[in-house]
Amino acid sequence: DTEVTQTPKHLVMGMTNKKSLKCEQHMGHRAMYWYKQKAKKPPELMFVYSYEKLSINESVPSRFSPECPNSSLLNLHLHALQPEDSALYLCASSQPDREGGYTFGSGTRLTVV
Amino acid sequence: RKEVEQDPGPFNVPEGATVAFNCTYSNSASQSFFWYRQDCRKEPKLLMSVYSSGNEDGRFTAQLNRASQYISLLIRDSKLSDSATYLCVVKEGNQFYFGTGTSLTVIP
Repeated sequence: DTEVTQTPKHLVMGMTNKKSLKCEQHMGHRAMYWYKQKAKKPPELMFVYSYEKLSINESVPSRFSPECPNSSLLNLHLHALQPEDSALYLCASSQPDREGGYTFGSGTRLTVV
Repeated sequence: RKEVEQDPGPFNVPEGATVAFNCTYSNSASQSFFWYRQDCRKEPKLLMSVYSSGNEDGRFTAQLNRASQYISLLIRDSKLSDSATYLCVVKEGNQFYFGTGTSLTVIP
């Protein structure tokens, strides 16, 4: 069982829809991340939250809007997406300023139609 | 210039073979190093951290060479279930950098 939970696992949305991806962790990690992964490519960093503050935004289009309501939750709000935004969206968490890697959630497979 | 470089493969090896993957990184200040495994359509999962002294976990051995800025993963006695993509990950501060991944297929 993963300790980072993502919902939904699959999402199909139209280009005019608004939807949200959710991520939750209870490991006490204070850094949380959103990644986008296309087929046969490594994950690409989108956003990093450290201690609930946005610390990195990798020039992501504004149709993706992250939110970190508290230290356990991370959301990604989606609006007016394009078909090329279809991908696996991965949430991860880690402990800042410590040794140790990420723990990934199982991802949300997003299809934009 | 990429932070982390890996040979993408694919590596196709028979069961029981020994296979090695290498990964190079560009920033000598990098602090921590990891190998992740990713199965098709699944999330990456931590396989092992890589320590300066080298470390072993069963059939898997990871090594770090700071002077040459590369890390390696050796898999002995390959199993069919080892077929996956292996991602090299390097940590600098709170940033993690991924290699492109190396695809391994173990053939019966």
